[in-house]
Amino acid sequence: GAGVSQTPSNKVTEKGKYVELRCDPISGHTALYWYRQSLGQGPEFLIYFQGTGAADDSGLPNDRFFAVRPEGSVSTLKIQRTERGDSAVYLCASSTQPAGVVNEQFFGPGTRLTVL
Amino acid sequence: QKEVEQDPGPLSVPEGAIVSLNCTYSNSAFQYFMWYRQYSRKGPELLMYTYSSGNKEDGRFTAQVDKSSKYISLFIRDSQPSDSATYLCAMSGASARQLTFGSGTQLTVLP
Repeated sequence: GAGVSQTPSNKVTEKGKYVELRCDPISGHTALYWYRQSLGQGPEFLIYFQGTGAADDSGLPNDRFFAVRPEGSVSTLKIQRTERGDSAVYLCASSTQPAGVVNEQFFGPGTRLTVL
Repeated sequence: QKEVEQDPGPLSVPEGAIVSLNCTYSNSAFQYFMWYRQYSRKGPELLMYTYSSGNKEDGRFTAQVDKSSKYISLFIRDSQPSDSATYLCAMSGASARQLTFGSGTQLTVLP
């Protein structure tokens, strides 16, 4: 079956612009995660959705970052007033089970964001 | 200081060698320990996970956790060129939700 898909695969924008990154999780997966991976680093947690609600947004770096999942499936990560430091690969993952049980997080290929 | 420390490498070994990858951590709340493999321009994929101290074996891969030392390892036996990738350790607390990753070790297995 289809895995996690993310669009666009690459996004180049100018400093100060607004961007939206989309994630399509595996069908039926109730949990969805966003991570950010800078060059040479491991992924860093941003936000976790269980269904439609953001259960944990403690990783969002500041209020320029916002994510939604209105119907409990597709999620959009929104970044306002982009800065050069936002350049990274944004990874989305989904899983079948909620917190408390080790569940495999299936990652998408990521969106490579470059802010000029 | 980061919660999870991982030697970034790069590590280059001949085909057939035994590879040892390691991470240390500082957060005593971590209870689940995972190893992910990431190929270039791809998302990470889960290799193995363990809960609590001890060993877990899966084919050519063995994961070890020593919670008293806050140290985890991944061993790869009979390494193959197809094992060439970046290996990421990851950990989580009791909720098993958000993962805290190491910085990754880049491994190259030479044919």
